[in-house]
Amino acid sequence: EAGVAQSPRYKIIEKRQSVAFWCNPISGHATLYWYQQILGQGPKLLIQFQNNGVVDDSQLPKDRFSAERLKGVDSTLKIQPAKLEDSAVYLCASSLGVGDEQYFGPGTRLTVT
Amino acid sequence: RKEVEQDPGPFNVPEGATVAFNCTYSNSASQSFFWYRQDCRKEPKLLMSVYSSGNEDGRFTAQLNRASQYISLLIRDSKLSDSATYLCVVNQAGTALIFGKGTTLSVSS
Repeated sequence: EAGVAQSPRYKIIEKRQSVAFWCNPISGHATLYWYQQILGQGPKLLIQFQNNGVVDDSQLPKDRFSAERLKGVDSTLKIQPAKLEDSAVYLCASSLGVGDEQYFGPGTRLTVT
Repeated sequence: RKEVEQDPGPFNVPEGATVAFNCTYSNSASQSFFWYRQDCRKEPKLLMSVYSSGNEDGRFTAQLNRASQYISLLIRDSKLSDSATYLCVVNQAGTALIFGKGTTLSVSS
């Protein structure tokens, strides 16, 4: 079974630039999550989708971050404009449903200079 | 007070040692508990769920104390391949996972 796919794997941008990350969840998984993991910390949830609807985006910095899952499958996470403190690994995870085991993708490592 | 607290370590142990990690959580409404393992520069992977009655999977034993809001993970007969960061994770029904910062384990020969 194919796992969660993410791209790109690495991205280096300058502050104030924009960046977008893509995630393709495991086939059939209705729930999709985006996490931010800063070095030395555990992953922190940014946004959770159930199909194409947002379940929880309380920790998403909405002034600069946006995410969508228009057709209930793939998802994109965008940062515009980026700040130095956005340097982190952005992890996408999916699960069959809310409360089910989450499977993580390999992550996108973002460096903002 | 942080929602999930762990001793960050690192724990440096020789092969064959027994090592225990502890974790406390602040929200008494938390319902599900897990230990995830994260290798260096890799994604987290579920190691085991933690049940009220305690559970064991080979060399790994997890315990939950709801009254004290405390979770533990015991690793017996440590292997070199156990070297990783162990993340304590809790959630309430219908919400996303809340991760601790992780405890780093290094097993040496």
